[in-house]
Amino acid sequence: AQSVTQLGSHVSVSEGALVLLRCNYSSSVPPYLFWYVQYPNQGLQLLLKYTTGATLVKGINGFEAEFKKSETSFHLTKPSAHMSDAAEYFCAVSESDSWGKFQFGAGTQVVVTP
Amino acid sequence: EAQVTQNPRYLITVTGKKLTVTCSQNMNHEYMSWYRQDPGLGLRQIYYSMNVEVTDKGDVPEGYKVSRKEKRNFPLILESPSPNQTSLYFCASSFLGGSSYNEQFFGPGTRLTVL
Repeated sequence: AQSVTQLGSHVSVSEGALVLLRCNYSSSVPPYLFWYVQYPNQGLQLLLKYTTGATLVKGINGFEAEFKKSETSFHLTKPSAHMSDAAEYFCAVSESDSWGKFQFGAGTQVVVTP
Repeated sequence: EAQVTQNPRYLITVTGKKLTVTCSQNMNHEYMSWYRQDPGLGLRQIYYSMNVEVTDKGDVPEGYKVSRKEKRNFPLILESPSPNQTSLYFCASSFLGGSSYNEQFFGPGTRLTVL
């Protein structure tokens, strides 16, 4: 069975500083991994995804994530935080042999301070 | 405009009164799914559908029903709502192939309160 753990329910970063959001997963088969962002009072929007191929994945708004199989991790980073990055971020996993079922992490709320 | 729409956006009801939350997408997506979002728990999948007349349970299907009679619509039915179903509900849809494989598009959400 698949599962997702996001470390840290709240993260505060200064504008211009590195954003690092941690995600670890468990999966019995090769996983598909995703990061979504949710702005206040909105639905979720896909930031990036890993299915196969290159393990460093670049997404929208300057975010990227690296799939590390040995560490079962898919951490999200952005070199320089912007005020508009304040939102809730969700990591999600789907297993390659049971596409359709998704597990989401509990979410990380990002606050950006001037 | 490509979108997933949900109705109603807000609903307050009482225990036991049947309700339906509609979901419609105009992108010709094969896949549709329902989630509930609760503080500290993230999103939990209720049901999903790979195509018309094909549905399957997610992690929290108890107390919910779905149907997929048309490709564009995927209504969520609560036959006898209870207070523990008070939550924020999201519908999502996706293609099953091509470069958009797995990219789910989410609706704006339906906030349901069951008294």
